[in-house]
Amino acid sequence: EDQVTQSPEALRLQEGESSSLNCSYTVSGLRGLFWYRQDPGKGPEFLFTLYSAGEEKEKERLKATLTKKESFLHITAPKPEDSATYLCAVSYFDRGSTLGRLYFGRGTQLTVWP
Amino acid sequence: NAGVTQTPKFRILKIGQSMTLQCTQDMNHNYMYWYRQDPGMGLKLIYYSVGAGITDKGEVPNGYNVSRSTTEDFPLRLELAAPSQTSVYFCASHAGSDSPLHFGNGTRLTVT
Repeated sequence: EDQVTQSPEALRLQEGESSSLNCSYTVSGLRGLFWYRQDPGKGPEFLFTLYSAGEEKEKERLKATLTKKESFLHITAPKPEDSATYLCAVSYFDRGSTLGRLYFGRGTQLTVWP
Repeated sequence: NAGVTQTPKFRILKIGQSMTLQCTQDMNHNYMYWYRQDPGMGLKLIYYSVGAGITDKGEVPNGYNVSRSTTEDFPLRLELAAPSQTSVYFCASHAGSDSPLHFGNGTRLTVT
């Protein structure tokens, strides 16, 4: 059973059409929730870390928010260069001693067309 | 800055062969990780290390071995390759505490 569920699996947006990606997690004792961007043939690239419910982080057209059971990645007025797979991952206090021991969702493949 | 470097980029193995996936980082990070990514699935942790000489198993360690003799290098060894090990392998590192993971660009391995 997946501990981290991302939706939708794929999303197509027209340039400028804002939307949100969802990441929900099932286990308590969250140590941190992470968002990564992955381009084809590349490794994941770090975007944000969120630690507690109510926390928000922003970077250019992206804004990440966190509640007790899910996180949203809001994309405002996206551009074609925002096309990528967005990965969500969580780290738990009771699953190892290091923050880098992550449990990943399957990702949302975002396509932004002009 | 090179960051995390993985070699080779691509490799095809026959069933039963062995190989070592190389990973090196130049950021002086103590923490290093090996993940595998299968199509349509989330990344899964294979092994990790919190410093030279210290390694531990992740979610999917069977069929793999690791060693950490230096801070910079964290090779992953496949002893008897199986088709189920066909995947993209990512190495990552971080400095610990609140610092994020830095990933390499992966090794795409096919076992036939």
